[in-house]
Amino acid sequence: ILNVEQSPQSLHVQEGDSTNFTCSFPSSNFYALHWYRWETAKSPEALFVMTLNGDEKKKGRISATLNTKEGYSYLYIKGSQPEDSATYLCANYNTDKLIFGTGTRLQVFP
Amino acid sequence: GAGVSQSPRYKVAKRGQDVALRCDPISGHVSLFWYQQALGQGPEFLTYFQNEAQLDKSGLPSDRFFAERPEGSVSTLKIQRTQQEDSAVYLCASSFLHSANYGYTFGSGTRLTVV
Repeated sequence: ILNVEQSPQSLHVQEGDSTNFTCSFPSSNFYALHWYRWETAKSPEALFVMTLNGDEKKKGRISATLNTKEGYSYLYIKGSQPEDSATYLCANYNTDKLIFGTGTRLQVFP
Repeated sequence: GAGVSQSPRYKVAKRGQDVALRCDPISGHVSLFWYQQALGQGPEFLTYFQNEAQLDKSGLPSDRFFAERPEGSVSTLKIQRTQQEDSAVYLCASSFLHSANYGYTFGSGTRLTVV
């Protein structure tokens, strides 16, 4: 199993701040990189599926970029809101399954 | 149903007890996955099914863990003689196609506590 690493492990920001976090993954034999948001007491929810080097995807105030050659993806949140508080997981598709990182736990204070 | 349903939501088991965790995937989803999430960790792969066929069980931590999906829909994860290290959230996910390009739909998980 090839490791997926996320940083930081946790993040506390003030409402209105913009923030970003990193996912690094093995760059060899790349197929896809997935981002999920997991709010407490709910199910993990798919945010983005990214497959192409240089790809950038956006969903409201959240966007993600992908660099498959160097093996990293950034997730950006613009103007954080308390409802953005969640754990953000990235996962690398490898040998027919998703391999997850340990997540970045984001807390947004009003 | 509209989403992936898991039951029970919470389970407390005495050490040595057998448990069975159920997953009801989205109707028509071919692929079904089980993950284990220990405290402070990311979800770790256990096993996956394509229809009723268990194609990969490399993540099952020991022979006390067994999963089945006999009719290609509902799946059960069984843990025999539970140990304290089995305490975790067990997540089930399904996917319409088995492809890198399709996101998974997860259930809310079963939180297992072994005492």
